Amino acid sequence: RKEVEQDPGPFNVPEGATVAFNCTYSNSASQSFFWYRQDCRKEPKLLMSVYSSGNEDGRFTAQLNRASQYISLLIRDSKLSDSATYLCVVRGWGNDMRFGAGTRLTVKP
Amino acid sequence: GAVVSQHPSWVICKSGTSVKIECRSLDFQATTMFWYRQFPKQSLMLMATSNEGSKATYEQGVEKDKFLINHASLTLSTLTVTSAHPEDSSFYICSAQAATSDTQYFGPGTRLTVL
Repeated sequence: RKEVEQDPGPFNVPEGATVAFNCTYSNSASQSFFWYRQDCRKEPKLLMSVYSSGNEDGRFTAQLNRASQYISLLIRDSKLSDSATYLCVVRGWGNDMRFGAGTRLTVKP
Repeated sequence: GAVVSQHPSWVICKSGTSVKIECRSLDFQATTMFWYRQFPKQSLMLMATSNEGSKATYEQGVEKDKFLINHASLTLSTLTVTSAHPEDSSFYICSAQAATSDTQYFGPGTRLTVL
């Protein structure tokens, strides 16, 4: 079983749609959780950290369910510029981060 | 945010040659640097973690004699792919983390093509 699993997609949605991505992780001792965004042939960029209480940043909402070892990302009012691959990232007690394979999103006009 | 650079951004080399990739933290001191590899349509895979002044810790399956890592200063880490072969062709990305932060900042990546 992979340490971090994501639905690979692709998700093709129209502008203005709401889209949700899910992620599960296998290591119950994981401490920190993140969503990164990666554009084609570019490095990943931090989108947001994920906290147990849930957190929101503009159109983006992240949720963490430790009991189910599940993380989600919700994007509201999708923009064309949201098209990218979204990476779920989990970190344990150490500094090493484990990446999911990513979910590809394409927002169409 | 913090800036991490990588050099070169892309390289094409012949099979059997060695390639050195540099990763620099430009505006902070990186006590820990990480090297990742990403094959097409796959996620980043951690290759090794290096702490300044110490030997790198390699992930299982990564040959330390093939992928030489040097982290001699708080702003520079290098990855040398020795005797590169076509199967080493990949996107190599470094990240850097300061002692006072749990955030990793990624470099722009180096695309290696071995002919």
